[in-house]
Parts: sequence; C-alpha cells; structure tokens
Amino acid sequence: EDQVTQSPEALRLQEGESSSLNCSYTVSGLRGLFWYRQDPGKGPEFLFTLYSAGEEKEKERLKATLTKKESFLHITAPKPEDSATYLCAVQATDSWGKLQFGAGTQVVVTP
Amino acid sequence: NAGVTQTPKFRVLKTGQSMTLLCAQDMNHEYMYWYRQDPGMGLRLIHYSVGEGTTAKGEVPDGYNVSRLKKQNFLLGLESAAPSQTSVYFCASSLTGTQPQHFGDGTRLSIL
Repeated sequence: EDQVTQSPEALRLQEGESSSLNCSYTVSGLRGLFWYRQDPGKGPEFLFTLYSAGEEKEKERLKATLTKKESFLHITAPKPEDSATYLCAVQATDSWGKLQFGAGTQVVVTP
Repeated sequence: NAGVTQTPKFRVLKTGQSMTLLCAQDMNHEYMYWYRQDPGMGLRLIHYSVGEGTTAKGEVPDGYNVSRLKKQNFLLGLESAAPSQTSVYFCASSLTGTQPQHFGDGTRLSIL
C-alpha cells in the first residue's frame, strides 16, 4: 500500500531562519511527487512536480529535491508570507490520476 | 479566471438529510476529483472521473455518490448524511491523469 509521511507536523521559524521539510514515501513505482501549499480556509495550491531521483525545482525561497525514498522542501530565508501548510503527494505508476497525500507540515514564520 | 468553483462554501445538515455539492471548472480539464480533508489525516480521495460520463471509486467512497453529466461539472451526493461525514470537501481537476491537480476552496460540511 502506498504511504506518504511528512515531518515535522509543525514548524515554527523566525524570519530569515532557513529549514527543511521532509516527505518520505513508499510506493511500488513513482510516476511523480507533488508539493502543494495550503493557506487557512483555502484549497491546496500547486508548487512543484518531481519525477525522478536527483531532480530539483525552485520557486522564490522554495526548493524541492527528490531521492528514491523521500523529498525535501527547503525554505531559504523565509518571510511571514511563507506561513502555510505544505502538502506532499505521490502518484504511483499504476494509479493513473490518483494522488496519495501526506498529512502536511504546518509552517509558521514569525517576524 | 475562476478555475475550480465549489458550491456551497458552508453547510450544516442533520443526520439522515441528503445534499449535493457542486464543482465547476472552466479550464476544459478531463479529470475531476472529490477529496475530503480531516485533521491529521491529509486529503483522501472519495471519487474521481476521467471524462464526461465516467466515474470511479477512490479510497473512501462509501456513503457518497457522484455524477459527471457535463465535462465542466462534477457533483458529489450524500444520500443519508452521517456525523462521520463532517469534513471539508475539496474538488480538483487536471488536464490529464499526470498533470497537476487544481483545487477549489472547499465546502465545509457539518452534520449534527
């Protein structure tokens, strides 16, 4: 059975204090790994898709990386507007269209 | 640019009542999905559709039915609501089965 585990559950950062979020996964074959950002009261907003080990994607202060068993979302010099819940999801090669989501990491960045 | 629109945004039901949640997308996407989100459990797939007139079961389909009569709309029905169905429901759509899914802002449903 496909499983996605995100850690930590919650993270509190000072503005400018860089950190990383972890997403470990178990899947028979990986078609793609997706990162989303979710603000309170809103739906998830797509950030990145990673397809193969060694791949990296960047967007402003966020950088996502992928290995064969986990993905990291690095937040460099975060700002208060980076506060959100970050969700990781995997799509298996035999699960056309279907995503398995982790429970998310809630990030709070204080000034 | 509306994207994915969910109706209603909030609803309170009594046990045993029925209701339909509506999802509409204006991106001409083939795939549409219904998820529920509960604290500490992440998003779980209820039903999905790979095109107009098709539906399929997801991870937690019991107690729900869906219909996709038009490409742009995906309806989620609760025939006899139960307190365990209290949740936030999200609809999503994607162009293909491998493209990123785009989400609506959810329907917050409470069943008393």
